[in-house]
Amino acid sequence: AQTVTQSQPEMSVQEAETVTLSCTYDTSESDYYLFWYKQPPSRQMILVIRQEAYKQQNATENRFSVNFQKAAKSFSLKISDSQLGDAAMYFCAYRRGNAGNMLTFGGGTRLMVKP
Amino acid sequence: DTAVSQTPKYLVTQMGNDKSIKCEQNLGHDTMYWYKQDSKKFLKIMFSYNNKELIINETVPNRFSPKSPDKAHLNLHINSLELGDSAVYFCASSQVGLAKNIQYFGAGTRLSVL
Repeated sequence: AQTVTQSQPEMSVQEAETVTLSCTYDTSESDYYLFWYKQPPSRQMILVIRQEAYKQQNATENRFSVNFQKAAKSFSLKISDSQLGDAAMYFCAYRRGNAGNMLTFGGGTRLMVKP
Repeated sequence: DTAVSQTPKYLVTQMGNDKSIKCEQNLGHDTMYWYKQDSKKFLKIMFSYNNKELIINETVPNRFSPKSPDKAHLNLHINSLELGDSAVYFCASSQVGLAKNIQYFGAGTRLSVL
């Protein structure tokens, strides 16, 4: 079974600075996708960024980027120029590439942004 | 126009009652899911439905039953509610077969069992 681990229950960052959230996963599959979801206090799950395992290039979305290390099974999220609105729970998630398509989530990291 | 909508947003009920949570998606997706988020924020898949067929059924109590009247709806019925059922329940949908295959989530239903 696949597992996803987020080793940082809480992180804090100063506004405008950069923070990195860690995620590791365990799988024997070769075809899979990795995601970071953001959950603000409103509870809504918002997709932040996605990475296909077959792509070597790290995904980027504006201020968000990932460091995907396939051999190490590591998938960290970097948030640059942190903003107050970035404060939320962040979940790393794994999905097999084949049918099934369920997401396996890590335990989450609560990010606090200090003004 | 909300893509995945759940009703109600909040549900407070007594132990032993039977309740339902409704979910609708207007994205034309063929697969819908239910996830449970416990008090420690841990999210876990409960069910998914593809073309009216259950394709994943995690080890949840049989008091929980998903019902899909059509492709756009996946409702969650819970019988004989227990204190441990208190959680936030999320509905999601996706289109199997698309390369991107992103899951879109509803806003969640907070269930409190007293």
